Amino acid sequence: QKEVEQNSGPLSVPEGAIASLNCTYSDRGSQSFFWYRQYSGKSPELIMFIYSNGDKEDGRFTAQLNKASQYVSLLIRDSQPSDSATYLCAAQIGNEKLTFGTGTRLTIIP
Amino acid sequence: DAGVIQSPRHEVTEMGQEVTLRCKPISGHNSLFWYRQTMMRGLELLIYFNNNVPIDDSGMPEDRFSAKMPNASFSTLKIQPSEPRDSAVYFCACRVVGANVLTFGAGSRLTVL
Repeated sequence: QKEVEQNSGPLSVPEGAIASLNCTYSDRGSQSFFWYRQYSGKSPELIMFIYSNGDKEDGRFTAQLNKASQYVSLLIRDSQPSDSATYLCAAQIGNEKLTFGTGTRLTIIP
Repeated sequence: DAGVIQSPRHEVTEMGQEVTLRCKPISGHNSLFWYRQTMMRGLELLIYFNNNVPIDDSGMPEDRFSAKMPNASFSTLKIQPSEPRDSAVYFCACRVVGANVLTFGAGSRLTVL
């Protein structure tokens, strides 16, 4: 079992709709969780991080964490074509290394 | 600050050749990470350093891979001898003191023929 698992997609969402990206992790010691966005041929860039159970909102993005279910999600409201990218979920134990999932490819259809 | 600088951006070499990838981290960092990304396996951590000291190299595939950080301004990842299965994009990433965010370099795309 991989430490961080994501549905590889591709996930296609109409422009203006809500895109929902999901991630599960296996190590209950994981404390911090991150969502990175990676455009084709580019390097990953941080979108959001979340440490506590519940929701965290930043503009059109909402991260959700459920530690009991070992589940992290990212919601993108009012999806735009520029949101088309691969989204990487990462988990961290303490202040040490980040373990990434393989990513979900998201396509926003105009 | 120009960010994390990696070189070369692209490298094409033949099997058996030595490959050296370079990373100049951002100023003020205290941790440096080397990742490898492939379509099949995603982003895998190879090794990371805290304050120039290697902390965890369990992700290094085998003895053909080695990494050094002689000072806070420079790190190298060496593959000797290279094999076609080493073809991937290699990223260097840094974490600044007091922040829990990784900043990635642009990556080095390696193709081993």
